[in-house]
Amino acid sequence: EDKVVQSPLSLVVHEGDTVTLNCSYEVTNFRSLLWYKQEKKAPTFLFMLTSSGIEKKSGRLSSILDKKELSSILNITATQTGDSAIYLCAGNSGANSKLTFGKGITLSVRP
Amino acid sequence: DTAVSQTPKYLVTQMGNDKSIKCEQNLGHDTMYWYKQDSKKFLKIMFSYNNKELIINETVPNRFSPKSPDKAHLNLHINSLELGDSAVYFCASSQDHGRPNQPQHFGDGTRLSIL
Repeated sequence: EDKVVQSPLSLVVHEGDTVTLNCSYEVTNFRSLLWYKQEKKAPTFLFMLTSSGIEKKSGRLSSILDKKELSSILNITATQTGDSAIYLCAGNSGANSKLTFGKGITLSVRP
Repeated sequence: DTAVSQTPKYLVTQMGNDKSIKCEQNLGHDTMYWYKQDSKKFLKIMFSYNNKELIINETVPNRFSPKSPDKAHLNLHINSLELGDSAVYFCASSQDHGRPNQPQHFGDGTRLSIL
């Protein structure tokens, strides 16, 4: 059975800190690794990673995939209170694009 | 315009009732999904449809029946509701399940509470 594990489960930081969120996966017929941010409602798409070692960047957020270690990290620099959310990692497998999600990391950024 | 919209946003009902949740996407996508997110925020796939055809059917009680009248709609009907069905149900869509590496876009969720 496919499995995605995220760590830590929760994190409290102060504004301006840099955080690293971890994700490891065991996914059959792996196609890609996705990161989502969930505030109060819908998970919103952040990144899709398919190739090892190539960093994807969007503003203060960046992410990279390591296919050898079956893992990914999401970095957030200069955190702001608006970054407080649950960050979900998901592995995309097989021909049916099935997403297996981790349990999420709850990030709280204090002013 | 909302890309993936679900109705209702909230549903409070009693055990044993039958209820439906509707989902519509205006992104022109071929594939739609239903997920269940439990109280611990764990998001798990239930079903997916591609162009009205069932593609993914996870281990879900057969009280749950998805129906796709066309590729822009995927509804979820639940019979004989149980306490354990209380959760947030998310609908999502993607361009085509067979095309590699297309992200899924989620609706705002329907919070189902069983009394």
